[in-house]
Amino acid sequence: AQRVTQPEKLLSVFKGAPVELKCNYSYSGSPELFWYVQYSRQRLQLLLRHISRESIKGFTADLNKGETSFHLKKPFAQEEDSAMYYCALARPSGGSYIPTFGRGTSLIVHP
Amino acid sequence: DAGITQSPRYKITETGRQVTLMCHQTWSHSYMFWYRQDLGHGLRLIYYSAAADITDKGEVPDGYVVSRSKTENFPLTLESATRSQTSVYFCASREGAKLEKLFFGSGTQLSVL
Repeated sequence: AQRVTQPEKLLSVFKGAPVELKCNYSYSGSPELFWYVQYSRQRLQLLLRHISRESIKGFTADLNKGETSFHLKKPFAQEEDSAMYYCALARPSGGSYIPTFGRGTSLIVHP
Repeated sequence: DAGITQSPRYKITETGRQVTLMCHQTWSHSYMFWYRQDLGHGLRLIYYSAAADITDKGEVPDGYVVSRSKTENFPLTLESATRSQTSVYFCASREGAKLEKLFFGSGTQLSVL
């Protein structure tokens, strides 16, 4: 069975510090992974996806198949990065892909 | 993103009552999803739909019913609400079947007393 694990409920850092939000997955096939973000009073929105190898708002994520991880990183955190972050795995099902989310990590960036 | 709307924004009901949460999207996206968001559990998939009249169960479908008579609407019904169904419910849509991004609604905060 596929599973997405975000081990940290809360991550607290100071502005300018590096940030790494952990995501580990359990999946027997070739994983398709995403990061979604929910800023305060805003809708959940896509931050980045593995397939396009994007870098959004300074965030990057590299798929490590050996460690089954897709950690989200940013070298210098900003206060506006404070949000809830969800890692998601899209599993194939009957010709389509169905996203499964982790429990989320709340990132707080202190001034 | 205003193309997907959920109503009501907040709802308080009592145990045993039937409640319907509405989701409407204006993009004609084929896929629609219902998730519930709970502390410690994150987002869990309740039901999804690939097209009108095609629905399928997600991780936590018990106690919920969905229908999709029109492409743009995907209502979620709690047939007999329980306190454990107190949650924030998110509807999402996606243009296709593959790895396109999800567009989320603003959510419905449901309290079952």
